[in-house]
Amino acid sequence: AQSVAQPEDQVNVAEGNPLTVKCTYSVSGNPYLFWYVQYPNRGLQFLLKYITGDNLVKGSYGFEAEFNKSQTSFHLKKPSALVSDSALYFCAQNTGFQKLVFGTGTRLLVSP
Amino acid sequence: DVKVTQSSRYLVKRTGEKVFLECVQDMDHENMFWYRQDPGLGLRLIYFSYDVKMKEKGDIPEGYSVSREKKERFSLILESASTNQTSMYLCASSLFSGTHGMAIYFGEGSWLTVV
Repeated sequence: AQSVAQPEDQVNVAEGNPLTVKCTYSVSGNPYLFWYVQYPNRGLQFLLKYITGDNLVKGSYGFEAEFNKSQTSFHLKKPSALVSDSALYFCAQNTGFQKLVFGTGTRLLVSP
Repeated sequence: DVKVTQSSRYLVKRTGEKVFLECVQDMDHENMFWYRQDPGLGLRLIYFSYDVKMKEKGDIPEGYSVSREKKERFSLILESASTNQTSMYLCASSLFSGTHGMAIYFGEGSWLTVV
């Protein structure tokens, strides 16, 4: 079965520093990969997706993600973190039949 | 913007009660989903529907059923609530896409506590 792994439960970064939230996916022919963000007591918001094409995908709120086929990774990045970026981040992969399978989530804490 | 509305944000129910969680989307999406979110487990798919009156089991359907009588509405039913169903429930919708590249859009979530 296809799966998504987020190896870090929590990532801590100081405001203004670059951030990376890691994600690896299980191998499939053409992976369709997504990042979502969840703020406290809210639903998930779509950030960005990789379908095909450029390995660097740009999304909302200044986030981007780098697709690496050889490492089966899809890491979320931002050049300069904000305190307001503190949230729970989920990586997801489309498994076919229109469904997404999600990782367990990574909590990002940005300190002032 | 896509809007997925879950009518109840916070519910407290007693063990054995029948519970209905309602979800409505306003973007004419074919697909609708119910996920359950628990700490350390991420999101797990309970049921999804790709058309009116059509439903498919997800990864954890036991103890749940669903109803989709209209395209815009997808209901999750707990026939007899149990304490292990205390969780955050998230409804979502998406367009049907042959490329599987469509993002899904979530509601704000329903916090259910079963006592």
